[in-house]
Amino acid sequence: GAGVSQSPRYKVAKRGQDVALRCDPISGHVSLFWYQQALGQGPEFLTYFQNEAQLDKSGLPSDRFFAERPEGSVSTLKIQRTQQEDSAVYLCASRVQGVVTEAFFGQGTRLTVV
Amino acid sequence: DAKTTQPPSMDCAEGRAANLPCNHSTISGNEYVYWYRQIHSQGPQYIIHGLKNNETNEMASLIITEDRKSSTLILPHATLRDTAVYYCIALISGSARQLTFGSGTQLTVLP
Repeated sequence: GAGVSQSPRYKVAKRGQDVALRCDPISGHVSLFWYQQALGQGPEFLTYFQNEAQLDKSGLPSDRFFAERPEGSVSTLKIQRTQQEDSAVYLCASRVQGVVTEAFFGQGTRLTVV
Repeated sequence: DAKTTQPPSMDCAEGRAANLPCNHSTISGNEYVYWYRQIHSQGPQYIIHGLKNNETNEMASLIITEDRKSSTLILPHATLRDTAVYYCIALISGSARQLTFGSGTQLTVLP
């Protein structure tokens, strides 16, 4: 596709349920980022991949959060035993390598934990 | 990355220029100034970036002061579709680091 694609667009999970959020980056984009955006706040960094390597996961809020990008393209963010505070929009972004490059964002997945 | 400071909100009349300020007084010599915007229910969208020279593209102009401690994003003829949160971000060139978003400026374009 032409842009970053995320699915599902909306997800409602019962507290304690596991969820998996998918990101299809732009083809050829080496770098992939996940962000969490709470209502009324700016996006907060979660984790970063360069190809299949997860180079930075310092933003993951707990060990219930796990991300992978096994073949260096599609990425999945998994949240285990969801809690109400996990309710947020999860954004994925990708960009090419380079000195100064722009990041392209998907529309996000809105997760609501009930 | 340098911290940036923006006003929380601004209004602008449709058809007029919108001037969005950003302070980045601790910016270092190899940090670029990036601007993104986020329209309601969408992901952030890249607008423009610059190092020390003024920049212009089809979306906006970026004016950076000579001392690089502040910048202004200019939307020359604001439309209702420009209503969004605008983020000013400082990022080291060549860095694989993530964008660090602050709270941004909510721009409301009024009819």
